[in-house]
Amino acid sequence: QSALTQPPSVSGSPGQSVTISCTGTSSDVGGFNRVSWYQQPPGTAPKLIIYEVSNRPSGVPDRFSGSKSGNTASLTISGLQAEDEADYYCSSYRGGTTWVFGGGTKLTVL
Amino acid sequence: QVQLVESGGGVVQPGGSLRLSCAASGFTFSSNGMHWVRQAPGKGLEWVTFIRYDGSNEYYADSVKGRFTISRDNSKNTLFLQMNSLRPEDTAVYYCARDVSWNYFEFWGQGTLVTVSS
Repeated sequence: QSALTQPPSVSGSPGQSVTISCTGTSSDVGGFNRVSWYQQPPGTAPKLIIYEVSNRPSGVPDRFSGSKSGNTASLTISGLQAEDEADYYCSSYRGGTTWVFGGGTKLTVL
Repeated sequence: QVQLVESGGGVVQPGGSLRLSCAASGFTFSSNGMHWVRQAPGKGLEWVTFIRYDGSNEYYADSVKGRFTISRDNSKNTLFLQMNSLRPEDTAVYYCARDVSWNYFEFWGQGTLVTVSS
C-alpha cells in the first residue's frame, strides 16, 4: 500500500503563497473526490483543514484552499502566517475500503 | 464538543500483545465509523483500520491484517484496538479518529504511544 507522493518540504515568507502537491493514482486521488488535508504542528495531533478536495471545515481560515487535477491534488496556503508552520498530510480513499496518506510536507515560514 | 481520548499504550516486547482504548464523548458515538491511524517516531501518518458505526464490518491495512483487531462497544462509547504478535515496526503513536461518510478523518484524539522493544 504505497503512500501518496508529497514534497518533503516547502517554504515561504509571511504574506506569500505556497502550494503543496499530492500525487496518487487513478485508484485513489484520481478515482474519488475523497481527498482531505491535515495540519500537524509539532507535538500535536493532526487537524482536518480540507475535505472532499476543496471544502473547509468551520473555523479553518479561507487562506487554505484545495483543488485536484487528474491524479494530483493540491493544497494552497495564501497570506502565509508564522502559525502556519507545521507538517501537512494529504489523504485519499483508495477503494476496497482502505485509505492512504501522503508522506507529509514540512512547511517552514521564513 | 467532540472528545476522543486514547489510552493503553506502553512498552511491550516483540511478540507481545496490547489493547488500546479510545473513549468518545460529545457526539452520538454509535452513528459514526471509527479509524485507528498510527505515526512512527519522526515519520508520516499510516491508516491502520476502520470499523463501521455498528461494528458489522472491519477493514485493515495489509501491514496489520491478521494481527490487529478493531472493535467497539457502543453502549460504553468506546473503541478498541487489540494488537497481537507485535513487531518493532509497530512502534508508533496510535490515534483514533472519527470517520465521515467513509471519506475523511474529522476529529482526532491526542494519541497513545506504543513502543515494541526488548
